[in-house]
Amino acid sequence: GNSVTQMEGPVTLSEEAFLTINCTYTATGYPSLFWYVQYPGEGLQLLLKATKADDKGSNKGFEATYRKETTSFHLEKGSVQVSDSAVYFCALSDNAGNNRKLIWGLGTSLAVNP
Amino acid sequence: DTAVSQTPKYLVTQMGNDKSIKCEQNLGHDTMYWYKQDSKKFLKIMFSYNNKELIINETVPNRFSPKSPDKAHLNLHINSLELGDSAVYFCASSQVGSLYGYTFGSGTRLTVV
Repeated sequence: GNSVTQMEGPVTLSEEAFLTINCTYTATGYPSLFWYVQYPGEGLQLLLKATKADDKGSNKGFEATYRKETTSFHLEKGSVQVSDSAVYFCALSDNAGNNRKLIWGLGTSLAVNP
Repeated sequence: DTAVSQTPKYLVTQMGNDKSIKCEQNLGHDTMYWYKQDSKKFLKIMFSYNNKELIINETVPNRFSPKSPDKAHLNLHINSLELGDSAVYFCASSQVGSLYGYTFGSGTRLTVV
């Protein structure tokens, strides 16, 4: 079945460091891919998405490219800030029939120190 | 205006009680969901409704019963609460399946004592 694998956290970085959070997936068909962010004490927010191969999603300085050949959707940011401290979730859509279910990774906690 | 609103935000109750959590979305979405997030941040889908019809019903104790009076509302009723039910419960909505992602509520932190 479909699945998402994220790198385990926690990830701890200093401000202005480069961030990569790895995400790989297993899926049949042509899923859409998502990154969600959950700030402390809040619900999840859609950070970015890509709906087909080679698409690049970007938002708030974060980027991820849908790579079908490596089945990956790694999240990157060139210079992190303390305010980026959150839990990041990779997810893919299961577009089979009416089963409108997102398949979620386990989440990666990021802590950015000043 | 809050797009997906849940009430209450916090709920502390004793074992054995029955409680409800309410969710409303004003986005005109056709599908709504309930998720449970445990202390390790793991997200587990519980239920999904599309236009008031139940389409996803994962392996959840039958003490949990969702109700969707209309496509803008999805409530969750829990009978005979147990300690293991303590978690954060999130409501979410989407349109056109999951192609464009979900909009989440801010969560209800349920603590059973």
